Amino acid sequence: AQRVTQPEKLLSVFKGAPVELKCNYSYSGSPELFWYVQYSRQRLQLLLRHISRESIKGFTADLNKGETSFHLKKPFAQEEDSAMYYCALGGGKLIFGQGTELSVKP
Amino acid sequence: GAVVSQHPSWVICKSGTSVKIECRSLDFQATTMFWYRQFPKQSLMLMATSNEGSKATYEQGVEKDKFLINHASLTLSTLTVTSAHPEDSSFYICSARLPGGILVNEQFFGPGTRLTVL
Repeated sequence: AQRVTQPEKLLSVFKGAPVELKCNYSYSGSPELFWYVQYSRQRLQLLLRHISRESIKGFTADLNKGETSFHLKKPFAQEEDSAMYYCALGGGKLIFGQGTELSVKP
Repeated sequence: GAVVSQHPSWVICKSGTSVKIECRSLDFQATTMFWYRQFPKQSLMLMATSNEGSKATYEQGVEKDKFLINHASLTLSTLTVTSAHPEDSSFYICSARLPGGILVNEQFFGPGTRLTVL
């Protein structure tokens, strides 16, 4: 069965600290993975897609097929990074993880 | 590019009435749109996949007679909540997918519609 798991409901860090939001997936075949972000009172927007291997707003995510993971990382968190982050598995329709609320404190 | 709008942004209605929510792709044609429901601080739950010119595909557990979906054009999909009840109160979000290319599985989301049923 296709599934996305984000084990942390809430992640709280101080400004300048490293951040890692975990995402594990279950999928038979070649997965297509995304990270979406939802800032307070804003729509869901794409942050990263694994196929692009890019860095957006200092965030990176590497697909690890051996560990079936697609963790989101940023070396130095900023207060404006506070938001809900969703990992999603694509392929026709998107399957979302439960989401992790990131809170960056000053 | 790839902007999706929803109307209305919020609506309050009485129990037993029907409410229609529109989802439009403003600068691209979307053969496929999706409807989600989101509870506070929770994930998005896919309700149905809306295909232009054909019947929507509903996820398991979603009542197709209660949540009517129409995708009559390449830029518009509508969700009608029929005979709404307080338990239907939620945040409804639509998304649209580009018709082809390398971004074929990426979805662009609307701002959502807050429905409150009294």
